[in-house]
Amino acid sequence: QSVLTQPPSASGTPGQRVTISCSGSSSNIETNYVYWYQQLPGTAPKLLIYRSNRRPSGVPDRFSGSKSGTSASLAISGLRSEDEADYYCASWDDSLSGRVFGGGTKLTVL
Amino acid sequence: EVQLVESGGGLVQPGGSLRLSCAAFGFSFSDYYMDWVRQAPGKGLEWVGRIRNKGESYTTEYAASMKGRFTISRDDSKNSLYLQMDSLKIEDTAVYYCARDNYGVDVWGQGTTVTVSS
Repeated sequence: QSVLTQPPSASGTPGQRVTISCSGSSSNIETNYVYWYQQLPGTAPKLLIYRSNRRPSGVPDRFSGSKSGTSASLAISGLRSEDEADYYCASWDDSLSGRVFGGGTKLTVL
Repeated sequence: EVQLVESGGGLVQPGGSLRLSCAAFGFSFSDYYMDWVRQAPGKGLEWVGRIRNKGESYTTEYAASMKGRFTISRDDSKNSLYLQMDSLKIEDTAVYYCARDNYGVDVWGQGTTVTVSS
C-alpha cells in the first residue's frame, strides 16, 4: 500500500489529453514538492516534472504538473505512442521522514 | 554529462550480505544528498534511504523496513556512494538505483540487480 495514491492505469488515443492524479496528505504533498517520473519498459525512471510544476530541459512541453492541497496531477497533451509507459509521483513525507512514491500508473496509448 | 553508474549486484543467499557501489560523473558530487531507491520485479519504486552532504554531517535516513539492515555511506574523494546490505531477505530482491537528491530525485543510475535466493 503506497503512501501516495495513483490510479493503476490510464489510457488515451493519439492526440488526446490525459491526466494522472496523485493523492497524498498534509504531511507530504501539501507541504512538499511533487516530482513525476516516466519509466519505459526495462529502463530506469526519468524525471519529467520537478518542484511540482517545473519541466527539466529536454522534456516536451506536452507534459505539465500541478498541485493543489493534498493532491497533484500530471497532464500529457497531444498523446503519442511513445508516451506509453509507467508514471510515478513522489514527494517527501515529514511524518515518516522519508521519500514516498505513488504505486505507479500504467499509461496505454490505444 | 551527468551520470550515475551502479555496480555490485548479484545473487546472494538469504541472510547474506552485499555491498553496492555507485560512481558519479559530471557534477559536483560532494554538494548533493544522494539516495538509493529499489524496485522489486513487476512492482513500483520504493525509497531505501539517503545520505546528506558534508555540510549536513553526512547524516542518513532510511525507510522503516530497511533500518538496521542497510547502511548508506559515501566517499566524496572518489565521487562514490555505497549501500551495505546485511541480513538479506528474499523480499529484498530488486533492481537498486542510485539517485541524486536535489529536493527530490532528479538523476537516476541505470540500476543494479540484486537477487536473494537459496
